[in-house]
Amino acid sequence: DARVTQTPRHKVTEMGQEVTMRCQPILGHNTVFWYRQTMMQGLELLAYFRNRAPLDDSGMPKDRFSAEMPDATLATLKIQPSEPRDSAVYFCASGPLSYGGQPQHFGDGTRLSIL
Amino acid sequence: TQLLEQSPQFLSIQEGENLTVYCNSSSVFSSLQWYRQEPGEGPVLLVTVVTGGEVKKLKRLTFQFGDARKDSSLHITAAQPGDTGLYLCAGAKYGGSQGNLIFGKGTKLSVKP
Repeated sequence: DARVTQTPRHKVTEMGQEVTMRCQPILGHNTVFWYRQTMMQGLELLAYFRNRAPLDDSGMPKDRFSAEMPDATLATLKIQPSEPRDSAVYFCASGPLSYGGQPQHFGDGTRLSIL
Repeated sequence: TQLLEQSPQFLSIQEGENLTVYCNSSSVFSSLQWYRQEPGEGPVLLVTVVTGGEVKKLKRLTFQFGDARKDSSLHITAAQPGDTGLYLCAGAKYGGSQGNLIFGKGTKLSVKP
């Protein structure tokens, strides 16, 4: 089965460092989502793209977070500078179509710890 | 604003018991999805319900979408340890940005042998 691939799976770094998370969506999917999951807040949408164009990044702290899709096979989420409150599991998901309510296929996440 | 409320937050039961988890909102959704997430993995889609009043069965799991399309329930019959996980509901809003889902915080289910 085709899968969304996220790297790295785990990242531990000190506050102030730059963190880059990568996602390879399922081939042919034209919508890509970035989520953050914590115990307190659950799954929060950070940003999403359709056909590589950002559609909504209102869930993302703009001063330190940035999301891009340099090409159809790669999505990146960067945090600079990182802070301890950014510690969470970050998920990427992709979907085949851009209508509302489409099923989303999730990667297994990047578990980020900022010390 | 938490648009989708899931209850209970935590549920611990013995193998063989039945259970129901709920997903409620004051908002109307065009469709609603249920996902299961296991530790260390991403959520996996179980089902999508689209029509108000719709009931879908997936082996021992029964999903229902409320008539008013504001709520949903998931019933598991004769739970097994393999059902353990975090169950998430996610709704697609009418007029919302295309492709965007609203997720509840989930019900964490533990089924003990």
